[in-house]
Amino acid sequence: DTEVTQTPKHLVMGMTNKKSLKCEQHMGHRAMYWYKQKAKKPPELMFVYSYEKLSINESVPSRFSPECPNSSLLNLHLHALQPEDSALYLCASSQARASSYTGELFFGEGSRLTVL
Amino acid sequence: AQSVTQPDIHITVSEGASLELRCNYSYGATPYLFWYVQSPGQGLQLLLKYFSGDTLVQGIKGFEAEFKRSQSSFNLRKPSVHWSDAAEYFCAVDLKRGGSQGNLIFGKGTKLSVKP
Repeated sequence: DTEVTQTPKHLVMGMTNKKSLKCEQHMGHRAMYWYKQKAKKPPELMFVYSYEKLSINESVPSRFSPECPNSSLLNLHLHALQPEDSALYLCASSQARASSYTGELFFGEGSRLTVL
Repeated sequence: AQSVTQPDIHITVSEGASLELRCNYSYGATPYLFWYVQSPGQGLQLLLKYFSGDTLVQGIKGFEAEFKRSQSSFNLRKPSVHWSDAAEYFCAVDLKRGGSQGNLIFGKGTKLSVKP
């Protein structure tokens, strides 16, 4: 069983909709990540939160807005998306401090987004 | 620029046969190196990792990988493949940016099919 839970598993939205993807972990990890994976492609890093602060934004368009309300939760707010944004969105978590970093990212099963 | 190359897009092996999946990286220093596996419609699971030390690392599910600095390679091996190993395999590099690790760059992946 995955210890990173993502909801919803599937989401269909129009280009004018506002929706959110949610991610939750209870492993005490203080780093959380959003990755985007297009079909038959590798995951691509979007955002990294470390101790609830945004530490990396990989030049993601502003129609994607991340939020980390506490150490267990990570949201991705979606607004005015384009059809090319259709993808599997993966959340992951890991230990954050260098001294305790084991190298393992724990991934959720993803939220499959379709933009019409 | 940093990159990860997996030269084989798709490999088919017979059940019980040995397996080697290739991975080469381009990076100024020795990065953290990983192999992840992704079953269809699922998130990613860590198979093994290399940080430093012994260049032959053991992972889960009977996989191992060997780091060769001179060849900038980190090839994944398994002596006897099982049908359940059919999946997509991603080699990844952690660029260790931003003070928190887990900033992974993935190769394009190798899809493994297993013949009965």
